[in-house]
Amino acid sequence: GQSLEQPSEVTAVEGAIVQINCTYQTSGFYGLSWYQQHDGGAPTFLSYNALDGLEETGRFSSFLSRSDSYGYLLLQELQMKDSASYFCAVRSSGGSYIPTFGRGTSLIVHP
Amino acid sequence: NAGVTQTPKFRVLKTGQSMTLLCAQDMNHEYMYWYRQDPGMGLRLIHYSVGEGTTAKGEVPDGYNVSRLKKQNFLLGLESAAPSQTSVYFCASSLQGADGYTFGSGTRLTVV
Repeated sequence: GQSLEQPSEVTAVEGAIVQINCTYQTSGFYGLSWYQQHDGGAPTFLSYNALDGLEETGRFSSFLSRSDSYGYLLLQELQMKDSASYFCAVRSSGGSYIPTFGRGTSLIVHP
Repeated sequence: NAGVTQTPKFRVLKTGQSMTLLCAQDMNHEYMYWYRQDPGMGLRLIHYSVGEGTTAKGEVPDGYNVSRLKKQNFLLGLESAAPSQTSVYFCASSLQGADGYTFGSGTRLTVV
């Protein structure tokens, strides 16, 4: 089977940098993705990593280390609107390439 | 573009009643999915479809049935609703092999 671990909650102040970690266990790893979900809203796709290294998209970056079965989402210059839940999801050949989602990290940004 | 549209947005059912949730996408995506989201549990896959006329079970399929008669529509049925099916249901779609999904706005279902 597949399993993912991410912190349940992270808090930070506006303008700061925050890192949300995700560790996974799976067979036939294919890629790690990240989604953002505001309260009452739908998840929206942020990023995808299939290879080791850092992918940058504006204020958000995502990192993957396949040897460590570990990834993280890095949010810079935090804004109040970044308060949301963030989910990592892993795709593997063992799961028919359908992503399995983690339980989510609630990010609370304080002024 | 409407993207992924789910109907209804809210519904209250009595135990034992049946209902169908409708998901429609206008992006010509091959793959479609139904997830349920419960507090602290993340998104769990109920059923999915990799093309018109095909469906497959996900992680939590019991108590649900699905149909994909047309490429753009994916229906989720509850034949006999139970309180344990109280949840928020999300439909999503993607291109074959795509990295990211497009989600609908969700259906909040309460079974009393």
